[in-house]
Amino acid sequence: AQKVTQAQTEISVVEKEDVTLDCVYETRDTTYYLFWYKQPPSGELVFLIRRNSFDEQNEISGRYSWNFQKSTSSFNFTITASQVVDSAVYFCALSEARRGGYQKVTFGTGTKLQVIP
Amino acid sequence: NAGVTQTPKFQVLKTGQSMTLQCAQDMNHEYMSWYRQDPGMGLRLIHYSVGAGITDQGEVPNGYNVSRSTTEDFPLRLLSAAPSQTSVYFCASSYWRGANLNTEAFFGQGTRLTVV
Repeated sequence: AQKVTQAQTEISVVEKEDVTLDCVYETRDTTYYLFWYKQPPSGELVFLIRRNSFDEQNEISGRYSWNFQKSTSSFNFTITASQVVDSAVYFCALSEARRGGYQKVTFGTGTKLQVIP
Repeated sequence: NAGVTQTPKFQVLKTGQSMTLQCAQDMNHEYMSWYRQDPGMGLRLIHYSVGAGITDQGEVPNGYNVSRSTTEDFPLRLLSAAPSQTSVYFCASSYWRGANLNTEAFFGQGTRLTVV
């Protein structure tokens, strides 16, 4: 069974601080996909990143960076120099990888980030 | 492209009423799914479809029906609404890119349903 744990329920930081959102996952699959989604106060879900299990390179996109470590089953998300617009709920998700058919996606419970001006 | 379109955005139902949440996508995606989002529980899969005419149950299917008569549409039916079905509902679509590459799900804007 797949499981995604986001232990941080809520985080508050002051603008311009760096913040890391933790994500720990469990799966028996050797090939899988990890995702991060952002849900701003307006409610929609915005895709941020997808990572394949066989690609452990860290990724940086502007102020966002992701640290994928298979040895600890973690896929952490860091926002550098946070801004008020980063205030949102962030979801980590895990997807199995089967050729054809539906790939079940398991979501974590989310981390609510509040960036205080 | 409109992406994934859900209607309505808000709905209030009385216990026992039935209704259909609409979902349409214009990206020709094979896979479509319905999730519900409840506080502290993340998103949980209700039903999903791998193509027209094919549907299956997810994690929390009880009280919901789906059908997939076309690639574009995937409506979710509540047969007899209950207060426990008060939630935010998201429809999503995705596709298999091949060569072991799954894609991200594209989500609709959500439907906030209240059952009183």
